[in-house]
This record gives sequence, structure tokens and C-alpha cells, in this order.
Amino acid sequence: DIQMTQSPSTLSASVGDSVTITCRASQSIATWLAWYQQKPGKAPKLLIYTASSLESGVPSRFSGSGSGTEFTLTISSLQPDDFATYYCQQYYTYWAFGQGTKVEIK
Amino acid sequence: QVQLQEWGPGLVKPSETLSLTCTVSGGSISSFYWSWIRQPPGKGLEWIGYISDSGSTKYNPSFESRVTISVDTPNNQFSLKLTSVTAADTAVYYCARPQNSGTSAPVVYWGQGSLVTVSS
Repeated sequence: DIQMTQSPSTLSASVGDSVTITCRASQSIATWLAWYQQKPGKAPKLLIYTASSLESGVPSRFSGSGSGTEFTLTISSLQPDDFATYYCQQYYTYWAFGQGTKVEIK
Repeated sequence: QVQLQEWGPGLVKPSETLSLTCTVSGGSISSFYWSWIRQPPGKGLEWIGYISDSGSTKYNPSFESRVTISVDTPNNQFSLKLTSVTAADTAVYYCARPQNSGTSAPVVYWGQGSLVTVSS
């Protein structure tokens, strides 16, 4: 099984900050990686797929990079609506999610 | 626009079987894979398994001995059965569909989620 590990688990930041979340896969997944945003009581929302492709309608302040086993999600100029929990997911072999990163207000 | 809606009992007794169904509207269940994903309260997302429109399944090894996912193509529905449940199976259960007809694709359609509590 492929394990996904995110860091940090919690991130405190202010509006306007640039933040980066890291996701590591236990084996190479090429670029078969997605990032999701989830707010309390809601289903996750797709932000990024194939590691760096922006889903339609997602603001350009969200960007993803990486390949193989290490990936990052960057939010440039954090907005109030961005305080949420973020998950990575590999879909190279079956599916697996990271444990999540909560972005909270500093 | 494709919409998914989970339904089933919100309370299940320990050792019994959890059963949920997902109804797909706004599109056909054909030509796609359909998945169940769960989220225990305050915790992360956990993939349970998926099924093709023809009934081919893949399960997370963590659930393989207890899970069955089935598809009802004429009624545009698919279902989850999880046996021998314990309190650890208390979670919000989501039905979901990936972006395209394969499984090497991210999830773009989610149900609203169904909270299932395991308690006597």
C-alpha cells in the first residue's frame, strides 16, 4: 500500500501570508496526486490534480508542484476563505489520502 | 450536473452490518467508477473502495474482509455494506466519483455525507 504523509499537521498563518504544505508518498506516484480543501461539515473540494493542474474555478493563488514522492501545495497571499483543512490524495495505485493539514488563523 | 446522495440508517448496533446506498442523479452510472470514502469525527479521509459500472471492485486492504460494494445500474445506485462494525466505524460516509472514467483520476463529485454512528 502507498502511504501519504502530510506536514505540518497544523499551520498558523495570517491573511496575506504565503503558506506551503508538503505531502510525501511512500513510493513514487509520478504526478498522480491531487489536493483538496475541506471546510467543517462539508465534502472536500478538488483544488489541484496531476500535482500541478489547477481545477476549473479555483483561484490562481493555489499552486501545486512535485513529482515522484514529494509534493507541495502553496497558497500565496492567504485569504479569509482559505482557512480550512487540506488533504493530498494519490491515485496512482488505488487511492490513499494524507492525514490532513489544518490552516488556522494566527 | 452530477449529484450524489447517500442514504441509510444513521445508527447501527455494534457487531451488526452498516448499509448505505448512493443515488446518482444528473448523469448515468455507466462508464464510471464509484467510490465510498469515510471520515471519522475530527479525523482524516479514508478510502474504502470503488466499483465499476460493470461490478468490478477494488477495496482498501484495511476493509477487505468486511466490505462489499455493489452497483445497481438500472436504478443509478451503488451501495456499501460493512460487517461486524464497532465504534471505530463511526464516521461520515461519502459516496464519490472521479473526474473521468478510470480510477487514475481525482474525485470531483461528492455526496453531502451521511453520519453513521455505531452504538448500542
